[in-house]
Amino acid sequence: QQQVKQSPQSLIVQKGGISIINCAYENTAFDYFPWYQQFPGKGPALLIAIRPDVSEKKEGRFTISFNKSAKQFSLHIMDSQPGDSATYFCAAIYHASGGSYIPTFGRGTSLIVHP
Amino acid sequence: EAQVTQNPRYLITVTGKKLTVTCSQNMNHEYMSWYRQDPGLGLRQIYYSMNVEVTDKGDVPEGYKVSRKEKRNFPLILESPSPNQTSLYFCASRSKNTGELFFGEGSRLTVL
Repeated sequence: QQQVKQSPQSLIVQKGGISIINCAYENTAFDYFPWYQQFPGKGPALLIAIRPDVSEKKEGRFTISFNKSAKQFSLHIMDSQPGDSATYFCAAIYHASGGSYIPTFGRGTSLIVHP
Repeated sequence: EAQVTQNPRYLITVTGKKLTVTCSQNMNHEYMSWYRQDPGLGLRQIYYSMNVEVTDKGDVPEGYKVSRKEKRNFPLILESPSPNQTSLYFCASRSKNTGELFFGEGSRLTVL
C-alpha cells in the first residue's frame, strides 16, 4: 500500500520555467512534510519542509503548498535552472508515541531542466 | 564537518556470502536508519534505531539485520545475500531538534 503518492515520475522543464511536483497522502496522523533533493551519486538532502499548520512555505525559488483538507502538498520551483536537475522525493512523517519517527517517502520525481 | 559515512560505497558479491555495510555519524544523533532505493520504488526503510540497543523493523526488513552497540555506528548485515537485495543502500541519522534526516552517500550492492 502506497501511503504517499508522488507525481509525475519524470518532468522536463525549460530553463526559467516553473517545475511542479505533487504528493498526496492518506494517513491524517502525518505531521511533518519534507522534500528531499538527490543529485546523481549522492544521498538525498533536505530541501524544504512544512508542518500542517501552515498552507505555504517559501525558501528562495522553492515553495511548498499544503492543502490539509485535500491531503495534498506540492513543490514549486520557480525560475528553474539546469542545476536544479535532480531527483526529488516528498515524504510524510508520523511521530508515534514513545518518540518513534516513521517516515514514508514518495517514489521520486526525476527533474531535468534544459538550458 | 557533519557527515554520515558508509562503507563500502560499491560491492559485488555472490549469493549467500555474508556481508556488512558500515555506517557512522559524527553528529551525536540518537536516531539512525537504513533505506534501500530501487528504480520506481523510491526510498524504503529497512530498519531504524531510536538509540543505543534499541532497533525496530521498517517497511522491508526481511533478509537484513542491524545492531546499535554505539551511538555513532549502525551497521547493516546481510547474513545470506540474495539477488533481490541488489540495490542502492542509504544510511541516515536524524537531528532531534530539526527533524532533518542526514543521508550518507550510498552503498551500491550487487548480489550475483
